[in-house]
Amino acid sequence: AQSVTQLDSHVSVSEGTPVLLRCNYSSSYSPSLFWYVQHPNKGLQLLLKYTSAATLVKGINGFEAEFKKSETSFHLTKPSAHMSDAAEYFCVVSDLSGTYKYIFGTGTRLKVLA
Amino acid sequence: GAVVSQHPSWVICKSGTSVKIECRSLDFQATTMFWYRQFPKQSLMLMATSNEGSKATYEQGVEKDKFLINHASLTLSTLTVTSAHPEDSSFYICSAPGTSGHNEQFFGPGTRLTVL
Repeated sequence: AQSVTQLDSHVSVSEGTPVLLRCNYSSSYSPSLFWYVQHPNKGLQLLLKYTSAATLVKGINGFEAEFKKSETSFHLTKPSAHMSDAAEYFCVVSDLSGTYKYIFGTGTRLKVLA
Repeated sequence: GAVVSQHPSWVICKSGTSVKIECRSLDFQATTMFWYRQFPKQSLMLMATSNEGSKATYEQGVEKDKFLINHASLTLSTLTVTSAHPEDSSFYICSAPGTSGHNEQFFGPGTRLTVL
């Protein structure tokens, strides 16, 4: 069975400092992995996706993530945090059984301090 | 492309009434759509998979008579919360898989339901 674990429920960084949001997955096969961001009372916005092409994936707003099969990780990073990055972030693995189901992590709330 | 809309964006209703939420794929066809529920400060919980032309598939613990799903066409799925109660108040989000072959889903903006 597939699963995804977001290791931190809350992360606080100062504006201008790097962001690291951690995600580990479990899958018997090479998975499709996604990072989504959700601002308060808003829907989900796709930041980036890994679909077995390049292991370093670049997304929107300066975010990127690296797929590391040996570590079963897909951590999200950004070199310099901006106040507008404060939001909830979800790591997602896609079910490979053909149902298209998403398996969501529990989310990480990012707080950016001025 | 691959835009999913939801209507209404928010709704307030009295306890005991029914509320219908629409999910539309605007520029692509979706034989499958998903309905999620999100409580404050929590992750999304998959409620059911909506299948065009057939019955929805509900996740364990979700009352199918409470949350009626109809996938009337290739671009429209509806979720009806029947006899709503305050504990049904939540953020409901739908999604539809794209056609890229990478299992990517496209999400609607969500519907905030408040039951008084």
